[in-house]
Amino acid sequence: DSGVTQTPKHLITATGQRVTLRCSPRSGDLSVYWYQQSLDQGLQFLIQYYNGEERAKGNILERFSAQQFPDLHSELNLSSLELGDSALYFCASSAGGPSSGANVLTFGAGSRLTVL
Amino acid sequence: GNSVTQMEGPVTLSEEAFLTINCTYTATGYPSLFWYVQYPGEGLQLLLKATKADDKGSNKGFEATYRKETTSFHLEKGSVQVSDSAVYFCALLTLLSGGSNYKLTFGKGTLLTVNP
Repeated sequence: DSGVTQTPKHLITATGQRVTLRCSPRSGDLSVYWYQQSLDQGLQFLIQYYNGEERAKGNILERFSAQQFPDLHSELNLSSLELGDSALYFCASSAGGPSSGANVLTFGAGSRLTVL
Repeated sequence: GNSVTQMEGPVTLSEEAFLTINCTYTATGYPSLFWYVQYPGEGLQLLLKATKADDKGSNKGFEATYRKETTSFHLEKGSVQVSDSAVYFCALLTLLSGGSNYKLTFGKGTLLTVNP
């Protein structure tokens, strides 16, 4: 157990729907990162939060959004789902702030999304 | 831009064979380098890291040396075991534009299968 908790583990939904993925970071970690893993694209960085504030954006679609709450858990919202959104979504957390050059990320087990 | 290129798999070895997974990077400045491992059905786990040139990261019999002159961070293990079967990701910690944020960029991953 890495200490990073993601729910749900598996999710099957239909095109056009909206889902929310949840992440609880490791105790004491202030930074949360979201990554998408698919066979064709590999691991893609989506977005990063630090202590409730968005700090960096990667290849995140406009249909996707995220937030980090005061208790530091984070949610990734995926809307108007398409077949191509089927992937593993990983959350990771780190202790250091976004300016820490030696940041080590601890990953959760992932949420597998299947869009039919 | 900053990127990581690692050898494509899959790699299939017999137990006790020698393993090398090549990783090269493109980056400005002095990035930190990481190897992460993903066992079946699990999230990514940090395997080893190196934060400056000529550093050698090591863990569980795996080693990688940060070679700035060849921009490489090849993963090696002298004698693999069946339990090493997993996907291995090389990663680069890069500074985002703006100068205050770091991002972890992953290679596409290399699937290793070790047969008894």
